[in-house]
Amino acid sequence: GAVVSQHPSWVICKSGTSVKIECRSLDFQATTMFWYRQFPKQSLMLMATSNEGSKATYEQGVEKDKFLINHASLTLSTLTVTSAHPEDSSFYICSARIPRTGGVNQPQHFGDGTRLSIL
Amino acid sequence: GENVEQHPSTLSVQEGDSAVIKCTYSDSASNYFPWYKQELGKGPQLIIDIRSNVGEKKDQRIAVTLNKTAKHFSLHITETQPEDSAVYFCAARFGNEKLTFGTGTRLTIIP
Repeated sequence: GAVVSQHPSWVICKSGTSVKIECRSLDFQATTMFWYRQFPKQSLMLMATSNEGSKATYEQGVEKDKFLINHASLTLSTLTVTSAHPEDSSFYICSARIPRTGGVNQPQHFGDGTRLSIL
Repeated sequence: GENVEQHPSTLSVQEGDSAVIKCTYSDSASNYFPWYKQELGKGPQLIIDIRSNVGEKKDQRIAVTLNKTAKHFSLHITETQPEDSAVYFCAARFGNEKLTFGTGTRLTIIP
């Protein structure tokens, strides 16, 4: 079945550091990937939609310069948290959607998330 | 935009019994409704989904029902097992747009 791989799974770093998270679709080409943030015991909050070869679309309230998204190929999207601070500590999850097939929109699959802890 | 409400927020069920989680959505144009299971420290895993052209779908112990008129859909898990313990999220989507998630249900199966 479809697999989305996310790396790293856990990051601990000092305040002011920039952190890059990778999201790969392993057995399909994903023209669209999504980045979510999840706080403890809460639902997933969409941060941005990443389209291959074009600029990402950010949700209201999400800082574009803080959370840089690059979707350079059909199998890889990256999220860079720039100059991270303790309030950026969270669980970040990427997701990829299988391309529309036979006129039918396809399911969205998720990676296993990255737990980011900023000291 | 779409709004999805999910109930209950927590659910405890005796092993072997059935569990039912319900969601309502606001946008009548939504036509795709997936359910995800999230285990501790992991990403959500798609367990079943349903499109608006059907009223029910079943996969072994898991079933989903959809009532388009009332704009609600439900997840049914029968013969529950300890490994069913997790947080379950419903979601709704129109066409190729973004998913809108419910607030989640923490399901605990009591051995």
